[in-house]
Amino acid sequence: GAVVSQHPSRVICKSGTSVKIECRSLDFQATTMFWYRQFPKQSLMLMATSNEGSKATYEQGVEKDKFLINHASLTLSTLTVTSAHPEDSSFYICSARDQQGPQFFGPGTRLTVL
Amino acid sequence: QQQVKQSPQSLIVQKGGISIINCAYENTAFDYFPWYQQFPGKGPALLIAIRPDVSEKKEGRFTISFNKSAKQFSLHIMDSQPGDSATYFCAARASNYQLIWGAGTKLIIKP
Repeated sequence: GAVVSQHPSRVICKSGTSVKIECRSLDFQATTMFWYRQFPKQSLMLMATSNEGSKATYEQGVEKDKFLINHASLTLSTLTVTSAHPEDSSFYICSARDQQGPQFFGPGTRLTVL
Repeated sequence: QQQVKQSPQSLIVQKGGISIINCAYENTAFDYFPWYQQFPGKGPALLIAIRPDVSEKKEGRFTISFNKSAKQFSLHIMDSQPGDSATYFCAARASNYQLIWGAGTKLIIKP
């Protein structure tokens, strides 16, 4: 299957700081990338969908000014958690798909806000 | 109508046994039904998927059975191994390519 990477895998930050998470499709061009959040023992919650070169579409209840998403190229999308607070601590996962295929997921990023 | 209901929530199977996880959906516009396997602290990995015009798909020890009229599909893991212990998610793809997820099943294979 296709490979999607995420960086960093873990990040610990102080409350009030911003954190950037990168998602890359390594061997295919991702026309669409998705950002999810997963709480312990729960299913994935879609935060936003981004198409290359377009503004992201956010799901209801997700603050677009807090979770900034950029999809500047066909292989890279970034999620920036601005002014992070402890309640933003979670497991963030991206996925990517090309025009035809299924979603392939990155390994996830564990964010801990102190 | 956008929900996917998954059961059971957790499942314990003896090594060598058959693990069966079930999902049901309502929206007949869903066009693709993948199963993902997730290990703790990792992202989901695509395991196997099926389209609604096929009733069964088999890949190694993993089989999806799909019942279009009942709007149900299931994952069967034959000869279950301890390495299969993970959380399994079914999903259904909507017309906007978003995945609608089941709640997940934690599978434990006992040696």
